[in-house]
Amino acid sequence: QQQVKQSPQSLIVQKGGISIINCAYENTAFDYFPWYQQFPGKGPALLIAIRPDVSEKKEGRFTISFNKSAKQFSLHIMDSQPGDSATYFCAASSKTGGGNKLTFGTGTQLKVEL
Amino acid sequence: GAGVSQSPSNKVTEKGKDVELRCDPISGHTALYWYRQSLGQGLEFLIYFQGNSAPDKSGLPSDRFSAERTGGSVSTLTIQRTQQEDSAVYLCASSIRQGAYEQYFGPGTRLTVT
Repeated sequence: QQQVKQSPQSLIVQKGGISIINCAYENTAFDYFPWYQQFPGKGPALLIAIRPDVSEKKEGRFTISFNKSAKQFSLHIMDSQPGDSATYFCAASSKTGGGNKLTFGTGTQLKVEL
Repeated sequence: GAGVSQSPSNKVTEKGKDVELRCDPISGHTALYWYRQSLGQGLEFLIYFQGNSAPDKSGLPSDRFSAERTGGSVSTLTIQRTQQEDSAVYLCASSIRQGAYEQYFGPGTRLTVT
């Protein structure tokens, strides 16, 4: 059962444009929503994250928008650059034995063209 | 400071053999997670360790998989009698303490079972 649905699967954006990736979840027990960026051959790197009591969080060119009632959240990358070309994963955290288990979306391959 | 390190970076093994994958968490981080990244299943949680407490093994796919954490630091993931479907990238992540949300991933070990 896929608990976090991510779209689109791939995305091509022109340099300077806005990249938008969307995720939806089902489990209302999720209490933390991070986004990870992954380059080929590397592990996922934490990019930005949000708690469900906040509707928006911005860090530099990256913004998360969160809609708790719709159980949806999205990543916006402003002024997209070729260096942003990577795979992006949304995730949702739930408690597990005292820790926090991440459930990931299926990923979005972003390509930023010149 | 140094991030999460994993070894080996690549491992090719024959079906039926046992393999051991190693993870060194960020110094001072007490929480440690293993995830698996495969084409078919995406990124999925395997196991969680907090210090010297009993691990949360709820994500392990079969009893061929086991993990241990010695001295509350280094962790080893062991796969016995490997199968072709075990081929994946095995990722380790650490968090600074129990209950902390931010997880920092290592580069992963790419396992290929022939």
